[in-house]
Amino acid sequence: GAVVSQHPSRVICKSGTSVKIECRSLDFQATTMFWYRQFPKKSLMLMATSNEGSKATYEQGVEKDKFLINHASLTLSTLTVTSAHPEDSSFYICSARPGADTQYFGPGTRLTVL
Amino acid sequence: GQQVMQIPQYQHVQEGEDFTTYCNSSTTLSNIQWYKQRPGGHPVFLIQLVKSGEVKKQKRLTFQFGEAKKNSSLHITATQTTDVGTYFCAGRGNNNDMRFGAGTRLTVKP
Repeated sequence: GAVVSQHPSRVICKSGTSVKIECRSLDFQATTMFWYRQFPKKSLMLMATSNEGSKATYEQGVEKDKFLINHASLTLSTLTVTSAHPEDSSFYICSARPGADTQYFGPGTRLTVL
Repeated sequence: GQQVMQIPQYQHVQEGEDFTTYCNSSTTLSNIQWYKQRPGGHPVFLIQLVKSGEVKKQKRLTFQFGEAKKNSSLHITATQTTDVGTYFCAGRGNNNDMRFGAGTRLTVKP
């Protein structure tokens, strides 16, 4: 089956620093990738849609200058949390869409900001 | 603003019993998606419904999208222990805002 990886799986950083999370589709190409946040025992929240070769589309309430998304190739999208603060601590999950009717999720990245 | 309500919050069934989770929106949805997340696992995309009144089946799972495109349901026939997990719906409303339901946590007793 289709595999999506995320790196790192866990990251702890100091407040004020920036953190980059990578999302890769390992065995398929994805023109579209999605970034989500999930709080403990809570539902998902779609942050943005990442389109290869163009600017990401952010959901309402998501600061695009804080959560920088780059989708430079058909197999890689990155999310950079800039000037991270403790309230940014969360589980960040990406998914990749090889076609219109499906998407595959990565294992997630747990970010802890001290 | 757009709200997506999902009920029930929890459901515990005996293996072999049926299970249904419902998703209701305060506004018309352009589409609705269903996901499953096993305990400790990452989400798995199940299906997307787009058309009014649409019904789709995946083996023991039946998905429906209401005629008014404001509600949806996921029905599992004869549950198995492998069905355990949290089922989420998500829909995009008229303001193009994507909202997830809070999820229904299903447990199955063997």
